[in-house]
Amino acid sequence: QKEVEQDPGPLSVPEGAIVSLNCTYSNSAFQYFMWYRQYSRKGPELLMYTYSSGNKEDGRFTAQVDKSSKYISLFIRDSQPSDSATYLCAMIGSGGSYIPTFGRGTSLIVHP
Amino acid sequence: SAVISQKPSRDICQRGTSLTIQCQVDSQVTMMFWYRQQPGQSLTLIATANQGSEATYESGFVIDKFPISRPNLTFSTLTVSNMSPEDSSIYLCSAGGQGINNEQFFGPGTRLTVL
Repeated sequence: QKEVEQDPGPLSVPEGAIVSLNCTYSNSAFQYFMWYRQYSRKGPELLMYTYSSGNKEDGRFTAQVDKSSKYISLFIRDSQPSDSATYLCAMIGSGGSYIPTFGRGTSLIVHP
Repeated sequence: SAVISQKPSRDICQRGTSLTIQCQVDSQVTMMFWYRQQPGQSLTLIATANQGSEATYESGFVIDKFPISRPNLTFSTLTVSNMSPEDSSIYLCSAGGQGINNEQFFGPGTRLTVL
């Protein structure tokens, strides 16, 4: 079992839809949870960052962490074609290494 | 934030040859990393490029296959040696990430195809 599981998709939605992207993980030591967005032929860029359980909102984006279920989500409201990208979840443990463990990424397509 | 550039952006190489990828950061950074991103797979850390000392390799990656240089705080190279088709991948340079509040920035990647 991989430490971080993420459905690769693709996930295709119409413009304006609410998108839910998810990751599950097995390592209970993970404390810091991130979402990266990667456009085609570009490197990943940090989208959101959350510590421990709870929700964090930034504009149309909401990151949610449920440590009891080892499950994290990224919600995108009012999705736009410009949101079409690959979204990677990433996690860091509490053991002193700040190098993230990444999911394989979910490809999102928002069509007009 | 840090802006990272990589050269070449893409290349097609013959089996058995080597390719050196360059990574340039627009500011001095302590931590630089090299990742591999294969189609449909997660980002896999190859090694941490240490300035002034040998790189730290992750399990499954060795210096003979992926020699790394880090001559200063803004530049690093990764060489993919004696290439085979299995080395076809995107190779990404990143910088930062020292400390949990220090964002890790990525370069645009080098798309390598080995025939």
